[in-house]
Amino acid sequence: QVQLVQSGAEVKKPGASVKVSCKASGYTFTGYYMHWVRQAPGQGLEWMGRINPNSGGTNYAQKFQGRVTMTRDTSISTAYMELSRLRSDDTAVYYCARENSGYDLAVIDYWGQGTLVTVSS
Amino acid sequence: SYELTQPLSVSVALGQTARITCGGNNIGSKNVHWYQQKPGQAPVLVIYRDSNRPSGIPERFSGSNSGNTATLTISRAQAGDEADYYCQVWDSSTAVVFGTGTKVTVL
Repeated sequence: QVQLVQSGAEVKKPGASVKVSCKASGYTFTGYYMHWVRQAPGQGLEWMGRINPNSGGTNYAQKFQGRVTMTRDTSISTAYMELSRLRSDDTAVYYCARENSGYDLAVIDYWGQGTLVTVSS
Repeated sequence: SYELTQPLSVSVALGQTARITCGGNNIGSKNVHWYQQKPGQAPVLVIYRDSNRPSGIPERFSGSNSGNTATLTISRAQAGDEADYYCQVWDSSTAVVFGTGTKVTVL
């Protein structure tokens, strides 16, 4: 069965960087785009970007351009999202999520469990 | 950038029908997808491409899309349908866009 298992919660100081991992299993990792979506406490879903695990190509939301980097290691079926120059309003749960283009472009059918990133001095 | 607007909340009596709207400029020309998110859980896809249900999603969930409004309809609402619901589209300039989200309360 498809599983996306994310790394554990992080506490960071303002200005620091955080790198969240997402280990995929149960399917061919290189066959599906991986998205990153975040959700601030009590707020809605916010799309950050996606990576093509096959080519490494990325699309980032304009809001995060220059601050976010999405990478992958195909040898261990793991995707990574690194966010730099953290601010307090980056405090959120960060999700990795698999796109299934069999449904349609950018439709997400599986989500990780989420990683809470807290930014506090 | 493209924006999707949803009502903050919708209330529905047990067994009745709830309708959740998602407004966007000419949204009828796009494919709309809907997700359900319960507290403390990751979202779950309930409708894709306007009106299609993934396997395992009850027939009580349906969708439509025309003009500037897409609609998710929950028929015969149950207590277990209480959740936040988000619409989502792909826009050529903005890429993935999520709606603002709607909290559904079953009375």
